Amino acid sequence: DIQMTQSPSSLSASVGDRVTITCRASQSVSTNLNWFQQKPGKAPKLLIYAASSLQSGVPSRFSGSGSGTDFTLTISSLQPEDFATYYCQQTYSPFRTFGQGTKVEIK
Amino acid sequence: EVQLVESGGGLVKPGGSLRLSCAASGFTFSSYAMNWVRQAPGKGLEWVSSISSTSTYIYYADSVKGRFTVSRDNAKDSVYLQMNSLRAEDTAVYYCATSVFGYWGQGTLVTVSS
Repeated sequence: DIQMTQSPSSLSASVGDRVTITCRASQSVSTNLNWFQQKPGKAPKLLIYAASSLQSGVPSRFSGSGSGTDFTLTISSLQPEDFATYYCQQTYSPFRTFGQGTKVEIK
Repeated sequence: EVQLVESGGGLVKPGGSLRLSCAASGFTFSSYAMNWVRQAPGKGLEWVSSISSTSTYIYYADSVKGRFTVSRDNAKDSVYLQMNSLRAEDTAVYYCATSVFGYWGQGTLVTVSS
């Protein structure tokens, strides 16, 4: 199976900060990568698909980049509602593995 | 509006069985693959299983293979997860999600405990 590794596991940031989360695949997944946001007690929400395509309704401060094995989720200016846990997921293999998550906390 | 509603969760003893259901509405269910994803308390997301639109292609995570069975009924716009030989480590909120994970249900909690 393809393993997905996110870094960091957690980070503290302030409102207005630029935040970057990375995701590395154990083998190439081309651009078959999703990013999700999850808040406590809620279902995950798709933010980015195909590595860099913004899901409808998602604010433009979220962006994704990368291909092959290395990917990045960037929040250009962190807002109060963005404090949450973020997950990457590969959709290259039919075994749709997730990264372990990155928790974004308030500094 | 797309809606996915899971049901069937609850408390079950180790070794027991449970069948989860996910009722879909708001889209042409029969045209899309469906997924099950779980999340243990305080842990991350774990993909569990996928089933193609006509049930031709079915995939399972190694952690559930041989114990869980996914199925669907396109006439009822529903997907199911039959869970047998349940273990404590299967305790989680189980979500159904659409083919490209754009829509998720609210989840149903499965607790495996004696």
